[in-house]
Amino acid sequence: ETGVTQTPRHLVMGMTNKKSLKCEQHLGHNAMYWYKQSAKKPLELMFVYSLEERVENNSVPSRFSPECPNSSHLFLHLHTLQPEDSALYLCASSQTQGSNTEAFFGQGTRLTVV
Amino acid sequence: AQSVTQLGSHVSVSEGALVLLRCNYSSSVPPYLFWYVQYPNQGLQLLLKYTSAATLVKGINGFEAEFKKSETSFHLTKPSAHMSDAAEYFCAAGLSGSARQLTFGSGTQLTVLP
Repeated sequence: ETGVTQTPRHLVMGMTNKKSLKCEQHLGHNAMYWYKQSAKKPLELMFVYSLEERVENNSVPSRFSPECPNSSHLFLHLHTLQPEDSALYLCASSQTQGSNTEAFFGQGTRLTVV
Repeated sequence: AQSVTQLGSHVSVSEGALVLLRCNYSSSVPPYLFWYVQYPNQGLQLLLKYTSAATLVKGINGFEAEFKKSETSFHLTKPSAHMSDAAEYFCAAGLSGSARQLTFGSGTQLTVLP
């Protein structure tokens, strides 16, 4: 399998549930990202991991907790979410140096909080 | 801070007609510029990128974009629309090629009419 793979593709969860989103990249990249895509809004960068260290957290509520155990895997742990957290969550990866540093995206997880 | 403006959240063209999707950026320094496409229930796929090598950039699927510094624009064009081009298109800009520093526009939904 190649590229960036996200699971699950769809997730419905209650506000008291705990769930995790998974992302895996097979591109040999050294940085991974979580984005939130809500209707009618620009793509929002949530977290950045570079060389497995979190280097950016864009004022994301603590009910979202990322984890990057190695350079190929990225998780987003979810707990006590709110209905306004319903969105498409996109994972991306990239190289951080060289001439080709553009992001490659997964297909996303469509999250619905009920 | 960098900002990216996509004029027209929805654009409709007839099959075979010219496609023109507009993107303007705000930066005193020529940025790195990207166009991504998102098909329904998919992640973002890179169409093309500008990294100061040539002002006219050719991408995949017959798309191209021209960087115009005087107009701070990076409009996306395709001479002849195909039904399969129907998707949402995102312009993004960054002061480096790093995905970490990208600012995305709000997107333009392209509809292709038979």
